Amino acid sequence: SQQGEEDPQALSIQEGENATMNCSYKTSINNLQWYRQNSGRGLVHLILIRSNEREKHSGRLRVTLDTSKKSSSLLITASRAADTASYFCATDEAGGGNKLTFGTGTQLKVEL
Amino acid sequence: EAGVAQSPRYKIIEKRQSVAFWCNPISGHATLYWYQQILGQGPKLLIQFQNNGVVDDSQLPKDRFSAERLKGVDSTLKIQPAKLEDSAVYLCASSLPRQWAFFGQGTRLTVV
Repeated sequence: SQQGEEDPQALSIQEGENATMNCSYKTSINNLQWYRQNSGRGLVHLILIRSNEREKHSGRLRVTLDTSKKSSSLLITASRAADTASYFCATDEAGGGNKLTFGTGTQLKVEL
Repeated sequence: EAGVAQSPRYKIIEKRQSVAFWCNPISGHATLYWYQQILGQGPKLLIQFQNNGVVDDSQLPKDRFSAERLKGVDSTLKIQPAKLEDSAVYLCASSLPRQWAFFGQGTRLTVV
């Protein structure tokens, strides 16, 4: 079963614009992770936010976490064509022994 | 550091045949995951190992899928007999406790 539901399923923006993706999940977590997947390739880790953190930055990425609403968002600022990929959130469930469960993903297309 | 190695990269088999996938995780990573990713969907956890013990295999179709992790290092995932709906990318990942996962490039399986 999928732990997270991501919204939107697909997003198309122009280069230079910001892209926001949302993730909702169901259970208590130790941390929440965001991954990127280029077509036909493996997943690459982007950022990890722990359950006691509310916001985290890494370069052009900004992640927020609201554990009371069981939701997270990923913001990519000043997007580039190279950011075109699928983005997934994944939750490390509390008490789950490091079990990592992925969401449904957002397909981002950045056009020139 | 060397990444997660998977082989083969591609495999085409007929239904009812058997197939095996191999994964070599990053050295020192106790946790190893096998995921199934059907086109357009998020990765679905099939089985998770901690060293050579199974932590979670609740979504592994045990009538046809099996997995083992020898000596807590390499792992193999087997399907016997394969069905058309097993066509997917099979991803292996490894991690340290409470850290993000590193993924291999995956094995793309086509069952005809």
